[in-house]
Amino acid sequence: AQSVAQPEDQVNVAEGNPLTVKCTYSVSGNPYLFWYVQYPNRGLQFLLKYITGDNLVKGSYGFEAEFNKSQTSFHLKKPSALVSDSALYFCAVRTDSSYKLIFGSGTRLLVRP
Amino acid sequence: EAGVAQSPRYKIIEKRQSVAFWCNPISGHATLYWYQQILGQGPKLLIQFQNNGVVDDSQLPKDRFSAERLKGVDSTLKIQPAKLEDSAVYLCASSQGGTFQETQYFGPGTRLLVL
Repeated sequence: AQSVAQPEDQVNVAEGNPLTVKCTYSVSGNPYLFWYVQYPNRGLQFLLKYITGDNLVKGSYGFEAEFNKSQTSFHLKKPSALVSDSALYFCAVRTDSSYKLIFGSGTRLLVRP
Repeated sequence: EAGVAQSPRYKIIEKRQSVAFWCNPISGHATLYWYQQILGQGPKLLIQFQNNGVVDDSQLPKDRFSAERLKGVDSTLKIQPAKLEDSAVYLCASSQGGTFQETQYFGPGTRLLVL
């Protein structure tokens, strides 16, 4: 069965410091990986995705993610965090066998001034 | 380009009552999804439509939940009768409908509280 794990419920970082939000996955076949962000009382906003090719994917708002096949990970990163990045982040996976997106449980990012 | 529209944004009902949610996808998107997001969890797919046909409803509690997309555009999700455990945010998403690599775009959601 397909699954996604986000091992940290919350990540705290100071503004200006680099941030990492972790995601690992388990699938049969080639994974298609996605990151979404959710602000309070808002829907999910797409940040970036990995389909194939370059393992480093760049997305919206200065975020990037690195696909690591051997470690089955797809960690979200940003070189310099902003207070406005504080939100709930979800990692999701899909394969060629289904259109269904499987989501992790989410990681709350708190960037302090 | 307009995003996915949903209404109402909030709904409070008593248990055993019925409720309906509406979704209008991004123009031209053939695939429409309904997700349930319980507090503290990631979204879980309830049902997926391709045009006006159901592709996957394996996780839809069919004894109380129903959904339709009659003209292949907008969609409604109904709960009848509601239970306390149905309290959640109901998210609608859409995608172009061609490949497994495509992105799903989400609406703002409907927050349901069942008392």
